[in-house]
Amino acid sequence: DTEVTQTPKHLVMGMTNKKSLKCEQHMGHRAMYWYKQKAKKPPELMFVYSYEKLSINESVPSRFSPECPNSSLLNLHLHALQPEDSALYLCASSQENRELAALLFGEGSRLTVL
Amino acid sequence: QKEVEQNSGPLSVPEGAIASLNCTYSDRGSQSFFWYRQYSGKSPELIMSIYSNGDKEDGRFTAQLNKASQYVSLLIRDSQPSDSATYLCAVGWMDSSYKLIFGSGTRLLVRP
Repeated sequence: DTEVTQTPKHLVMGMTNKKSLKCEQHMGHRAMYWYKQKAKKPPELMFVYSYEKLSINESVPSRFSPECPNSSLLNLHLHALQPEDSALYLCASSQENRELAALLFGEGSRLTVL
Repeated sequence: QKEVEQNSGPLSVPEGAIASLNCTYSDRGSQSFFWYRQYSGKSPELIMSIYSNGDKEDGRFTAQLNKASQYVSLLIRDSQPSDSATYLCAVGWMDSSYKLIFGSGTRLLVRP
């Protein structure tokens, strides 16, 4: 299994809803990432989990709450989002070893906030 | 503030030509360098990685790294219409953890 799987692929939610994005990898990678990508912009780093501990939080608003239940799973809990949070949310994983530190991305979850 | 700069393009080349994409980065402590390809509406796909000064070739792709000039490039030989996409340069380093920062991407258009 050499891929990162994200669900759902599409999500529409209202500003008062609570939803979650899920990410799974079975490659034994010990670092997992959430990126946010708006149209015609590069991916922007949100969170990094290393060995199941949150190691980087790029000053993301608290309405985004990450969770890493185990080394294979990464969730992003969403609550009270704004329409400007509509974007493609990308999960990625890496070995966090310099020689193997390319990030492998999932297909993304396209989020629309109404 | 670490930055990765790319020309947004579009870079338009005829089919069969060499496409040359460039990237500069601000942090001399950067350790790893990548080129990703992203088709519209899809996620980034890794096409090349390079860690040392010089050239690295993989099929039609050649990545070039010059750490003294803080410059990374990607050459695509025999360009095909299917190469039309946005090419993202990414630079990695260790902070509290390992992280990648992306440039804004160069849009490549290969004309049949």
